[in-house]
Amino acid sequence: TQLLEQSPQFLSIQEGENLTVYCNSSSVFSSLQWYRQEPGEGPVLLVTVVTGGEVKKLKRLTFQFGDARKDSSLHITAAQPGDTGLYLCAGAPMDSSYKLIFGSGTRLLVRP
Amino acid sequence: NAGVMQNPRHLVRRRGQEARLRCSPMKGHSHVYWYRQLPEEGLKFMVYLQKENIIDESGMPKERFSAEFPKEGPSILRIQQVVRGDSAAYFCASSPLGASYNEQFFGPGTRLTVL
Repeated sequence: TQLLEQSPQFLSIQEGENLTVYCNSSSVFSSLQWYRQEPGEGPVLLVTVVTGGEVKKLKRLTFQFGDARKDSSLHITAAQPGDTGLYLCAGAPMDSSYKLIFGSGTRLLVRP
Repeated sequence: NAGVMQNPRHLVRRRGQEARLRCSPMKGHSHVYWYRQLPEEGLKFMVYLQKENIIDESGMPKERFSAEFPKEGPSILRIQQVVRGDSAAYFCASSPLGASYNEQFFGPGTRLTVL
C-alpha cells in the first residue's frame, strides 16, 4: 500500500514567519499535487509538479518535487492570516496515475 | 464557467435508508472520480468512471455502494442501507480527456450524516 506521510500535522505561527510542510513516501510518483482545503469546501488545486527536482513558485509559495519523485515540500514565505487552512499533498502512482494518494494534511493557523 | 458541481451539499439519512449523491463534472471533462474523507483524515479514492464505464472501483466497499456515470446526466454515487460508519464527506473530482498528467479538480463535496 502506498502512503504519503505529511508533516507537521498542525502548525500555528505568527504572521510574517516562514514555514515548510513536508510530504514523504517510499514510493515513486508520476506527479504530485498540492491542494488547499477550507472548512466545508472541497480541495482547491494549487500546483502540480511532475519532474524530479522541479521547483514551482506561486507568489509566496514555493513547491519542490524531490529528485527521486518520492517526496515534496511546500514553503511559505512571510505567512499571512489568509494562508490559514488545510494543506494536502496528493501523489499519482506510477501504475495508476488517476488514483490519487492523499496525505493526511497539515492544518495551518497564521495568527495576526 | 462552473466548476465541479455536487448536490446535495448536506444529506441526512437514518440508518437503513438510501443516499444518492450527484456530481456534474467541469465542462469538457469526461473523467470522474469519487473520494471519501472521514473526519480528520485525508481523502481516500473510491472509484474512477468515464461515460458509461467504471474503470476502477477498487476503493469502493464491496457491498451497498455503487457508482455510475451515464451518457446523459450527472455521475451518481449510491449508498444503500446506510450505516453510521458511512457518515463522511464525499468528494467528486473531474479531469479532461487526454491530459498529460492527472490534475483533478474537486467539487465542494456532499456531507453525509447518518443518524
